Amino acid sequence: AQKVTQAQTEISVVEKEDVTLDCVYETRDTTYYLFWYKQPPSGELVFLIRRNSFDEQNEISGRYSWNFQKSTSSFNFTITASQVVDSAVYFCALFSPRSQGNLIFGKGTKLSVKP
Amino acid sequence: NAGVTQTPKFRVLKTGQSMTLLCAQDMNHEYMYWYRQDPGMGLRLIHYSVGEGTTAKGEVPDGYNVSRLKKQNFLLGLESAAPSQTSVYFCASSYLYRSADSGNTIYFGEGSWLTVV
Repeated sequence: AQKVTQAQTEISVVEKEDVTLDCVYETRDTTYYLFWYKQPPSGELVFLIRRNSFDEQNEISGRYSWNFQKSTSSFNFTITASQVVDSAVYFCALFSPRSQGNLIFGKGTKLSVKP
Repeated sequence: NAGVTQTPKFRVLKTGQSMTLLCAQDMNHEYMYWYRQDPGMGLRLIHYSVGEGTTAKGEVPDGYNVSRLKKQNFLLGLESAAPSQTSVYFCASSYLYRSADSGNTIYFGEGSWLTVV
């Protein structure tokens, strides 16, 4: 079975703090894809990153960075020097091509960044 | 540059009424999905389609039906709406994955807010 766990339901930080959002996944497939999406208060889903299972390189994009570790089945997301505009719900998701349409989302982590 | 378009965006239904949500994509994607989002539950897959004329059940299919008569459209139907179907519905589409791909591969609509009273 495939599963995505985001153990942190809500996180509250003060602006300029660093914050890490955890994502742990389960799959028996060797080829899979991991995603992070941001859902701001306006409701749309904003794509942040996709990582393929065979590419364990960490990635940095501005204040955002992602740490993919297959050994611990984790794909954690760090925001450096958080800003109020980072306040949103963040979703981690897992997709396996072998499972075709089975795109599995975690329950999301609500991040509140206070000024 | 429409991407994925959902209609309607907002709807209020009475219990027992029926309605259809329409999802249209202009990217020639093979895969299309319908999700519902409820507080604290994340997004849960209702039904999906891997190509024109095919549909399959997701995690929470009860009370919904779908059809994919045209590749670009994926319809979600509620035959007899219930208050438990009050939710935000998201449609998504994607193409067949290739290992060399990078970047976004799953595109979401803006959501449809449905209230059943």
